[in-house]
Amino acid sequence: DAKTTQPTSMDCAEGRAANLPCNHSTISGNEYVYWYRQIHSQGPQYIIHGLKNNETNEMASLIITEDRKSSTLILPHATLRDTAVYYCIVRVASNFGNEKLTFGTGTRLTIIP
Amino acid sequence: DADVTQTPRNRITKTGKRIMLECSQTKGHDRMYWYRQDPGLGLRLIYYSFDVKDINKGEISDGYSVSRQAQAKFSLSLESAIPNQTALYFCATSDSGVGYTFGSGTRLTVV
Repeated sequence: DAKTTQPTSMDCAEGRAANLPCNHSTISGNEYVYWYRQIHSQGPQYIIHGLKNNETNEMASLIITEDRKSSTLILPHATLRDTAVYYCIVRVASNFGNEKLTFGTGTRLTIIP
Repeated sequence: DADVTQTPRNRITKTGKRIMLECSQTKGHDRMYWYRQDPGLGLRLIYYSFDVKDINKGEISDGYSVSRQAQAKFSLSLESAIPNQTALYFCATSDSGVGYTFGSGTRLTVV
């Protein structure tokens, strides 16, 4: 699986859009970009994933650059409950024999009241 | 009820004791996983199972064993607990390896 690089921490004002960047310059053609978050020692929560097109769901939007070497997770109207560690993961969608989700250290996002 | 339920939520045990962590799910997923998380670190895969007849080692399986009693149940055992197995343990499920659903975790302390 391709390696990802994320900032260690970020702050965002409540009500503003939170933009979390991720670099994955060694991504290969069949690898997806996944985002999970972990709120204070709870189990990680799946947010969104995408291959090359931008994706949106009820939680967030995912913007992937045209060369796929980086992406941005957008929380459109951040609330205090969005304070968490956010993990960007790159892997193939379903690969028997390669079931490991590799969680790096992620970005600690703090929403400021 | 939670989709993925782990028991116990917290456990303190002594070195050398055998302990079992249990996981049950109502998602109907075939794939189940056990991860551990140490302070300040990411999650590491211990074991995973694609169905009741399939068990696979992850990256840190030494000192652990698992049992897939049914599609919905996947338990993790520490045969002889040691202090460096003190960690937060998570069970997870997925239906096709795409999105994972995690349990709330078991905080295990080995003294």
